[in-house]
Amino acid sequence: AQRVTQPEKLLSVFKGAPVELKCNYSYSGSPELFWYVQYSRQRLQLLLRHISRESIKGFTADLNKGETSFHLKKPFAQEEDSAMYYCALKGQGAQKLVFGQGTRLTINP
Amino acid sequence: GAGVSQSPSNKVTEKGKDVELRCDPISGHTALYWYRQSLGQGLEFLIYFQGNSAPDKSGLPSDRFSAERTGGSVSTLTIQRTQQEDSAVYLCASSRTGSGGNTIYFGEGSWLTVV
Repeated sequence: AQRVTQPEKLLSVFKGAPVELKCNYSYSGSPELFWYVQYSRQRLQLLLRHISRESIKGFTADLNKGETSFHLKKPFAQEEDSAMYYCALKGQGAQKLVFGQGTRLTINP
Repeated sequence: GAGVSQSPSNKVTEKGKDVELRCDPISGHTALYWYRQSLGQGLEFLIYFQGNSAPDKSGLPSDRFSAERTGGSVSTLTIQRTQQEDSAVYLCASSRTGSGGNTIYFGEGSWLTVV
C-alpha cells in the first residue's frame, strides 16, 4: 500500500531560521515524490519534484530511499513561506497522487 | 482557460439533498482528477479519468458519490443524499496525460457545507 506521512500538522519558525518539513513514505517500488504548496487564498500548486533535483524558492528536497523520506528544507525562512505544504507520492506506473495530511508552516517575523 | 476552473466555489446544502460540482480542466489535458480536502484529513483521492479509458473510481467513499466526464473535457462530481461528513473542499485537477513527469494542476476548489 502507498502511504505518505507528514508527522507535523503545525510548524512555526522565526524568519531567517532554517526550516525542515518532514515527509516519510511507504512504497515497495521506486516512487515519484513531490511537494505541493497552498498559500493563503490560492490554489494548490507544485513546489518541486524529486526527479528534477531543483531548488524552488530556496527549497530543496532529497529523496532518501534508505530512510524512505523526502524532507523539504530551506536554510533561511522568509515570511512569504507561510503556507500549507503537502508531500505526495506517485507509484510506478500509477496516475494518481497520494498525499500526506499536510503541514501548516508559519514564519514568525 | 488559463487554469482548471471549478463551480460553484461555495455551496451550502441541506442534509439529504443532492449536489453537483463541475470541473473544467485545462484545454488539451486528458487526465482529470477529483480530490477531497477535509480539515485534518489531508487530500483524499476520489476518482481519476484518463482519455477514453475506464475511470479509476477506487477512492469514492460510498455509492452516493459518482462522477462523469463528458466528451473528454468537463467533469461533474455528484453527491446524492448529502451527509454532514461530506462537508469539505472538493478539488479538481488535470494534467496533460496521466503518466509520470506531467505536472498536475489544481483548481481553486468547491467548498461544500452540508447543514
